[in-house]
Amino acid sequence: EVQLVESGGGLVQPGGSLRLSCAASGLTFSSYWMTWVRQAPGKGLEWVANIKQDGSEKYYVDSVKGRFAISRDNAKNSLYLQMNSLTAEDTAVYYCAREGPSTALDYWGQGTLVTVSS
Amino acid sequence: QSVLTQPPSVSGAPGQRVTISCTGSSSNIGAGYDVHWYQQLPGTAPKLLIYGNSNRPSGVPDRFSGSKSGTSASLAITGLQAEDEADYYCQSYDNSLSGWVFGGGTKLTVL
Repeated sequence: EVQLVESGGGLVQPGGSLRLSCAASGLTFSSYWMTWVRQAPGKGLEWVANIKQDGSEKYYVDSVKGRFAISRDNAKNSLYLQMNSLTAEDTAVYYCAREGPSTALDYWGQGTLVTVSS
Repeated sequence: QSVLTQPPSVSGAPGQRVTISCTGSSSNIGAGYDVHWYQQLPGTAPKLLIYGNSNRPSGVPDRFSGSKSGTSASLAITGLQAEDEADYYCQSYDNSLSGWVFGGGTKLTVL
C-alpha cells in the first residue's frame, strides 16, 4: 500500500523558514515525479512545485520561485520542501503527491498545516 | 481567479445526474494537455477520480465519467449518492505559466 506522510508544518513568523518532509513507502520512490500542492484555509488547490525522479528537473509556481526549494533523497524515500521568506499568503495545508498515469496525482499524503503569523 | 474555470457549486437529488464543467484556454486544455479530476471529501486529502480526460483509476465507480472537447472538460456523475457530496477540482498543464493549474473547485450538494 502506497503511503505518503508529511511532517514539519507548524507556526512560523513572517519572514521565517520551514522545511517540510514527506516520507514515502509502498512504492519505488525513485521511479516517480513527486509534487507539492497546497490549500489555503477555505480555498482551492494550488500546485506548488514538482521534481523529476533523479532531481535533475524542478519546477515552481511563480509565487514561490526564489523562496521555496523542492528536493528529494531517493535513498531515504523522502521528498522535501524548504520554504524561506514566508508570508501570510503561504499559510496553507501542504500535501505531497505522486505523479502517476498521465501525470495525474494518484496518491496524496494527509497534509501538514503551515501557519505564518506573528 | 483560476486559470481553469469551474462553477462554484452544483446540486442534485439522489439518483440524478450532474455535470461539472472546467473551462480553459488555448494554453492549457485547448493545447491538448490532459485533464484530471479530483474529489475532496470534507476534512480529507484530495483523491484522484479521473485521469487522462476520461480514465477511471481502479476502485472509482463507473458512475463517474470525464470528457474533453476543445478548451473545456466535464465531469459527469450519474446516480447521485449522499456520499458524493464533496468538492471537485479539475487540473491541467498550462504552457504559458509553465506549470500545473487547478480549477477553483466545485462544491457538489446532494439535496
